[in-house]
Amino acid sequence: EPEVTQTPSHQVTQMGQEVILRCVPISNHLYFYWYRQILGQKVEFLVSFYNNEISEKSEIFDDQFSVERPDGSNFTLKIRSTKLEDSAMYFCASSSGWTYTFGSGTRLTVV
Amino acid sequence: GESVGLHLPTLSVQEGDNSIINCAYSNSASDYFIWYKQESGKGPQFIIDIRSNMDKRQGQRVTVLLNKTVKHLSLQIAATQPGDSAVYFCAENYGGSNYKLTFGKGTLLTVNP
Repeated sequence: EPEVTQTPSHQVTQMGQEVILRCVPISNHLYFYWYRQILGQKVEFLVSFYNNEISEKSEIFDDQFSVERPDGSNFTLKIRSTKLEDSAMYFCASSSGWTYTFGSGTRLTVV
Repeated sequence: GESVGLHLPTLSVQEGDNSIINCAYSNSASDYFIWYKQESGKGPQFIIDIRSNMDKRQGQRVTVLLNKTVKHLSLQIAATQPGDSAVYFCAENYGGSNYKLTFGKGTLLTVNP
């Protein structure tokens, strides 16, 4: 069964540092997403990406965040200057309409 | 803003019993709902979905009920097994072309052997 692959599974970074979270979506999917989940809380939408551009973003997705699909395969989330409150699980997902598949997530810890 | 929420944060059942997990939503424009299961250290896993033009949908050991009058969604798991222990989320989409999902807070289901 096709999978969404995320790397790394766990990243520890110092406050103020840049991090890049990587995802390989399912190859024939057209929509790509990043969601995050702060420990013990609900999963929150960050951004959706379609046709090589952001189609929607939440209030959380401020100027510190950016996404890219650099090579037609990978889908990345960059946080330019991490804050303590960015510590969370970050889930990548891809879909072909309503058929969503989530990755296993990257646990980001900002210290 | 409008949001999806859950009545019970935790639910503990005996193996073999039926489980019912509830979800309330407040956006009357929501037209599609999904239940996800999340095991520790994993991403959300699709269980079952339902569209707003339906009241009930059944899958293998699971049933989703939608009551649009009171904006309530439930997930019923028959003959609950230890492997069903996880956090269960409801999610909704209230229109738009991006298939964006809004998640509820989650219910932790614990199945006791």
